[in-house]
Amino acid sequence: EPEVTQTPSHQVTQMGQEVILRCVPISNHLYFYWYRQILGQKVEFLVSFYNNEISEKSEIFDDQFSVERPDGSNFTLKIRSTKLEDSAMYFCASSEGLAGVGNIQYFGAGTRLSVL
Amino acid sequence: AQTVTQSQPEMSVQEAETVTLSCTYDTSESDYYLFWYKQPPSRQMILVIRQEAYKQQNATENRFSVNFQKAAKSFSLKISDSQLGDAAMYFCAYRIYGGANTPLVFGKGTRLSVIA
Repeated sequence: EPEVTQTPSHQVTQMGQEVILRCVPISNHLYFYWYRQILGQKVEFLVSFYNNEISEKSEIFDDQFSVERPDGSNFTLKIRSTKLEDSAMYFCASSEGLAGVGNIQYFGAGTRLSVL
Repeated sequence: AQTVTQSQPEMSVQEAETVTLSCTYDTSESDYYLFWYKQPPSRQMILVIRQEAYKQQNATENRFSVNFQKAAKSFSLKISDSQLGDAAMYFCAYRIYGGANTPLVFGKGTRLSVIA
């Protein structure tokens, strides 16, 4: 069964460093998403992406974040200058883009980002 | 803004027994979708069951069923004949009706343990 794949599973970085989290969505999906979950808190929406541009973003997704689909298979989240509060589990998701409840978002297993 | 609340951080159930996980939500919308996702340890979130708000009939998927009370804004998940493989974190999620890529709003999750 097709899966959303995220790499790495765990990333450790120093505060102020740039990190890129990578995702390979399901191949025929058209919509891509990033969510994050800070330990003990809710899973929160960051951004959605369609047709090579951001379609919606939350207030969390500020100028230090960017997303890109550099080729036909990868979808990346870049954090330019990491802060301690960026430590979280980051989930990538993709969906076909069907209307209604049929537009199921399929999730990856997540990348745990630890900022030291 | 829409919110989702899962009031039970942890639950446990004996194998073969039935357990109900609670979820309430707050929205001013009349049309929306509700979901339960399951996340086994170190694995990706997978969709368990989904419900359209305009449908009065409760959704069922094999051993999983929901009790959708629209007026009370309640969406509980019942797992019958619990199995060891049901042990996971369960997330309740809401999505507004409309566009193909509207984001999910999650609760904090309920960790379910299944006792042999």
